[in-house]
Amino acid sequence: DGGITQSPKYLFRKEGQNVTLSCEQNLNHDAMYWYRQDPGQGLRLIYYSQIVNDFQKGDIAEGYSVSREKKESFPLTVTSAQKNPTAFYLCASGGAWGDTGELFFGEGSRLTVL
Amino acid sequence: GENVEQHPSTLSVQEGDSAVIKCTYSDSASNYFPWYKQELGKRPQLIIDIRSNVGEKKDQRIAVTLNKTAKHFSLHITETQPEDSAVYFCAARRSNYQLIWGAGTKLIIKP
Repeated sequence: DGGITQSPKYLFRKEGQNVTLSCEQNLNHDAMYWYRQDPGQGLRLIYYSQIVNDFQKGDIAEGYSVSREKKESFPLTVTSAQKNPTAFYLCASGGAWGDTGELFFGEGSRLTVL
Repeated sequence: GENVEQHPSTLSVQEGDSAVIKCTYSDSASNYFPWYKQELGKRPQLIIDIRSNVGEKKDQRIAVTLNKTAKHFSLHITETQPEDSAVYFCAARRSNYQLIWGAGTKLIIKP
């Protein structure tokens, strides 16, 4: 069953702790993305990667980190430096440099900081 | 900076009527404009897109129009049905190939 899988679906974190969100895809897509979704603000780009071992900061990268060691995987770490981490996080994949246009999204991870 | 403005934020229409959602963008270099639908608790999914070399595209009950001169594009849904209830997002592709998104429109279909 092809697709993009995020885990965990729900995550609770204490202030001062780092947390890592997993994103795996078996669509053979070159590009992967992390978005943050807040009510009334649409999707904001955190980080993206067009190819293995390379990634770029998006519009709101501060307090986040990523890695792209494998084509299939693009984990996101929310660090303690992120001032307002409670949000819904969406991972997506697609063709590199937007060549196919369509993005395929995971089901999301909801992070709550206690 | 670059942005995409989307209106209205909430739209309530009677079942069977038409719905129109409008977006404006600021980057004149944008050349690709997708629309995504996100049902409650689900992932966003592409429903239609348009490239800058055409002015209109239709797919059954949905259509998108693009006015490059005015830098705006619109989503039209005709004969609305209960399953059309969702949040709709527009986006524009920037020169670095990344999408910039509108804030979303919550579409409510009244029975």
